[in-house]
Amino acid sequence: DTGVSQDPRHKITKRGQNVTFRCDPISEHNRLYWYRQTLGQGPEFLTYFQNEAQLEKSRLLSDRFSAERPKGSFSTLEIQRTEQGDSAMYLCASSSSGPYEKLFFGSGTQLSVL
Amino acid sequence: RKEVEQDPGPFNVPEGATVAFNCTYSNSASQSFFWYRQDCRKEPKLLMSVYSSGNEDGRFTAQLNRASQYISLLIRDSKLSDSATYLCVVITTSGTYKYIFGTGTRLKVLA
Repeated sequence: DTGVSQDPRHKITKRGQNVTFRCDPISEHNRLYWYRQTLGQGPEFLTYFQNEAQLEKSRLLSDRFSAERPKGSFSTLEIQRTEQGDSAMYLCASSSSGPYEKLFFGSGTQLSVL
Repeated sequence: RKEVEQDPGPFNVPEGATVAFNCTYSNSASQSFFWYRQDCRKEPKLLMSVYSSGNEDGRFTAQLNRASQYISLLIRDSKLSDSATYLCVVITTSGTYKYIFGTGTRLKVLA
């Protein structure tokens, strides 16, 4: 399977714990995006990488969130000191680097903070 | 005001009906537009790109109106399997390629 893969699929954690999610994009894609989605809402942009450079981060994203893409391949999203409001589906997507490229999504990581 | 706005629905239509969704965007510099489909608890999947001249893919037709800043999706001869949420996506290219999603419009096709 050469699509976008995310791990884990589900994560249950207690408030205050740190969590880390991984995303492996489609291998030839150099753009990688993280989104968050809650029930009844569309995906909300969190951050975006072009190769290993993080080019944009949502102003809505608190300092507890950090993302990396160290070698321009896979990416990790870490949430420190989780809060119940962080419960959501975290989606990763990738695209090639043309001007109007299509975005391909992974299956997401469903986070539940108790 | 949200950058991309959609009527959340739900739109409940009988099988065989024609249904249309609109989506408005606020950034006149937006460059590229898509419709994505999302099934319950699944990831969004590309349905179709939206071109300035309008485009059709089987029962689906997408249109762009730059002057009024909206895009539309028309589904003809609705099938039960068309039941899903339809997400409007706009790319803004102010330095980076950011894909902005609408909240989605929920469609239920009834037998």
